[in-house]
Amino acid sequence: SAVISQKPSRDICQRGTSLTIQCQVDSQVTMMFWYRQQPGQSLTLIATANQGSEATYESGFVIDKFPISRPNLTFSTLTVSNMSPEDSSIYLCSVVGRGANIRGQYFGPGTRLTVT
Amino acid sequence: QQQVKQSPQSLIVQKGGISIINCAYENTAFDYFPWYQQFPGKGPALLIAIRPDVSEKKEGRFTISFNKSAKQFSLHIMDSQPGDSATYFCAASMSETSYDKVIFGPGTSLSVIP
Repeated sequence: SAVISQKPSRDICQRGTSLTIQCQVDSQVTMMFWYRQQPGQSLTLIATANQGSEATYESGFVIDKFPISRPNLTFSTLTVSNMSPEDSSIYLCSVVGRGANIRGQYFGPGTRLTVT
Repeated sequence: QQQVKQSPQSLIVQKGGISIINCAYENTAFDYFPWYQQFPGKGPALLIAIRPDVSEKKEGRFTISFNKSAKQFSLHIMDSQPGDSATYFCAASMSETSYDKVIFGPGTSLSVIP
C-alpha cells in the first residue's frame, strides 16, 4: 500500500483566515482525492485533484472556497479559504495507486481543523 | 442512486462473538466494494474488498458476503476482539482501479467488550 503523509496533523485557526493542507505520497499514484469528515460522520468527497489541471469538485464544494493544486504525481494541497466554524472538520487526502501492488483507495492520517 | 446504506449505526459485541454489519446499494454500475476500518484520530484503512463476481471473500477473521441479486453485502468479524473496536465503513466504487470516487456508507461504530 502507499504511504501517505499530511501536514499539518491538526491546527486551530481563526475565522476569516485560510489554511493550506499538504498531502505527500511515497510513490506515484494515479488519482488523488480530498475528503471531509465531520466528527462522528462519514466521509464526503470534496474534489478530485487532477495533475496539471483544475480539480473536479463535487456538488456543494467550489474552487474559491477549496482551491486545490496537484503539481505532480505524488503531491497535492488543499486550501480551506476564509474559514468559518462550520469548516471545523477532519480533512483527508486519499489516493488510488498505479499497478498491481497498490490496488484500492488509501487514506492519509487526516488533518484535524478547528476554526474559532 | 449513488447512496450506500449501512446498518446498524452502532454495535456492541462480546469478546469472541461474531460482529455483522450490513450494507445495501442501488447503482448496479458499482463494481468494487471495499470495507474500511477507522480508529479514532486515524484515517480509514482498507480492510477487505470484494467484486460482485464472487459471493464471499475471507481474510483471516474478516469475511465479506455478497448478494448481487439483492444488491446487499455484509462484513462478518469472527472471534471479535477488543482491538476490533473501531468505526467500519462499507463503500462502493465503479472500479477497483478507479479512476473513480468511492461512495461511503454512514459507518458503524463497533465496540467489543471483554
